[in-house]
Amino acid sequence: QKEVEQDPGPLSVPEGAIVSLNCTYSNSAFQYFMWYRQYSRKGPELLMYTYSSGNKEDGRFTAQVDKSSKYISLFIRDSQPSDSATYLCAISNTGNQFYFGTGTSLTVIP
Amino acid sequence: SAVISQKPSRDICQRGTSLTIQCQVDSQVTMMFWYRQQPGQSLTLIATANQGSEATYESGFVIDKFPISRPNLTFSTLTVSNMSPEDSSIYLCSVDKGASYNEQFFGPGTRLTVL
Repeated sequence: QKEVEQDPGPLSVPEGAIVSLNCTYSNSAFQYFMWYRQYSRKGPELLMYTYSSGNKEDGRFTAQVDKSSKYISLFIRDSQPSDSATYLCAISNTGNQFYFGTGTSLTVIP
Repeated sequence: SAVISQKPSRDICQRGTSLTIQCQVDSQVTMMFWYRQQPGQSLTLIATANQGSEATYESGFVIDKFPISRPNLTFSTLTVSNMSPEDSSIYLCSVDKGASYNEQFFGPGTRLTVL
């Protein structure tokens, strides 16, 4: 079983839609949860960082962690064509072990 | 955060040759990481490089194939040795620079094609 599972998509939505991206993980010991955005031919860029459970909001982006279900989500409101990218979830623990999802490819159509 | 640069950005190499990828960070960091990213797959950690000690390799990766140098706190190199087409991938370096030391920041990547 992989440490983290992510639906690869691809996901295609119209401009202005709400986007929901999700990952599940297997080990309840993980405490740190991240979302990265990766544009084509670029390195991953840290988008959201969450410790433990709960929600974190930054502009149009909301990261949500449900530790009881081992489920993490990223919501994008009022999606824009510039949001078109691959989104990777990542989990880690205090031992600096990181595990990444395979990434979900998102296209926002004008 | 951290600003990370990599050289080269891309290369096309012949089978059996070696390529050294450089990673430069704009500030001192303790831990640097090297990843491989193949199409449709997760980021795969190759090794962790700490300054002043031997790199720690993940299962499936060996020093003879992927020698790493870490001469100071801002620089590292990864060499892909005796390349085969299976080594075609994007190679990324990253650093752990977050205040909580559980955030990784990535370089732009090196896109390697082996013919």
